Amino acid sequence: DTGVSQDPRHKITKRGQNVTFRCDPISEHNRLYWYRQTLGQGPEFLTYFQNEAQLEKSRLLSDRFSAERPKGSFSTLEIQRTEQGDSAMYLCASSLVNIAGGDEQFFGPGTRLTVL
Amino acid sequence: AQSVTQPDIHITVSEGASLELRCNYSYGATPYLFWYVQSPGQGLQLLLKYFSGDTLVQGIKGFEAEFKRSQSSFNLRKPSVHWSDAAEYFCAVGAGVTGGGNKLTFGTGTQLKVEL
Repeated sequence: DTGVSQDPRHKITKRGQNVTFRCDPISEHNRLYWYRQTLGQGPEFLTYFQNEAQLEKSRLLSDRFSAERPKGSFSTLEIQRTEQGDSAMYLCASSLVNIAGGDEQFFGPGTRLTVL
Repeated sequence: AQSVTQPDIHITVSEGASLELRCNYSYGATPYLFWYVQSPGQGLQLLLKYFSGDTLVQGIKGFEAEFKRSQSSFNLRKPSVHWSDAAEYFCAVGAGVTGGGNKLTFGTGTQLKVEL
């Protein structure tokens, strides 16, 4: 079990550029979540996938953000025309949903984005 | 809408002393509750979870938490703190709806400092 991995770990970009992050979940997990964490705050939910279907998106996810999970495996989160307010840690989590519905989410190390 | 309040932003304890971190939640139905720990530069590690059953749950690293429905609380405890416990602790609540997403709502975290 290699856990959830995220790439890159750090990204520095200039305002207006596009960035893409990748998340590789634990192999047998069918759910994948994206969260955003700003300094001094807890993580905030962005979106989640069950297999390849994106089932829910937060209001935080503006139209500059897009997420995909082709083939229900890894996922990508793209931010277009980055703004300084996008600077944050982007966390990915995966889980295996159980009958009770209380899936346990395992988090990756995160990608820290800095927009200059 | 679900919410979590962690009233203590910072807590300092001496090594060997007992610890209690407070968490209050707001959720209309039976919640799924979690405590995570985050060390600097690291992702979130699950300490323990409550889905149903016994209201006193045991977790890793000697932590436990008690679910009190009447007080809408899920406080984290440890009888004897170790210097390595210094980190940020997050309480989270999930809807846990079977077939739907279990997006987590996190508190703002409690930063624990351990004095030697």
